[in-house]
Amino acid sequence: QVSLKESGPGILQPFQTLSLTCSFSGFSLGTSNMGIGWIRQSSGKGLEYLATIWWDGDKYFNPSLKSRLTVSKDTSNNQTFLKIASVDTADTGTYFCTQLMGGWFAYWGQGALVTVSS
Amino acid sequence: DTVLTQSPGLAVSPGERVTISCRASESVSTRMHWYQQKVGQQPKLLIYGASYRDSGVPARFSGSGSGTDFTLTIDPVEANDAATYFCQQSWNDWTFGGGTKLELK
Repeated sequence: QVSLKESGPGILQPFQTLSLTCSFSGFSLGTSNMGIGWIRQSSGKGLEYLATIWWDGDKYFNPSLKSRLTVSKDTSNNQTFLKIASVDTADTGTYFCTQLMGGWFAYWGQGALVTVSS
Repeated sequence: DTVLTQSPGLAVSPGERVTISCRASESVSTRMHWYQQKVGQQPKLLIYGASYRDSGVPARFSGSGSGTDFTLTIDPVEANDAATYFCQQSWNDWTFGGGTKLELK
């Protein structure tokens, strides 16, 4: 049974770095063509794709956010990590990690709410 | 960026047939996928590859289209289908539509 869960700081201040962890089970990021995608959703708004890390370590980022994003993985412990540098209030929202195969986001975590406030 | 445009919302009665549209700014072949998001929950995959139902998704949900125009159909609509429906393309990176909020009368 596939399961993903995001964890993060909850609240942070402008200009800090947001660090999120995705812990998953039921599959391995060592499997060919497997990826973990990160997506966020601002309050009451739509979904914004952020980044993907693939089974082979390849990474892809939303071009509009690329300069601020870092993704990494710990395959043996079934975790991936997302960092967003120099956050501001526009980064407030719910952050989801997802299992990505074949171009679609098959399974989603419950989401981690992040608030950026001074 | 490939922009996906969805109508903002609609209201239907249980038992009716509803179609939700998604238009891409350029062709995405059949690399279109649909999600359902209920209030307070994470999105759930319904349809992938334009027309393939994900495992466990009721046959009431169907998808069609190719190129730039896609449709999600729910027939018949049930009360618990009230949600926001998002389309997403994977032909040119990954982008989502703005969502269509389905309300039940």
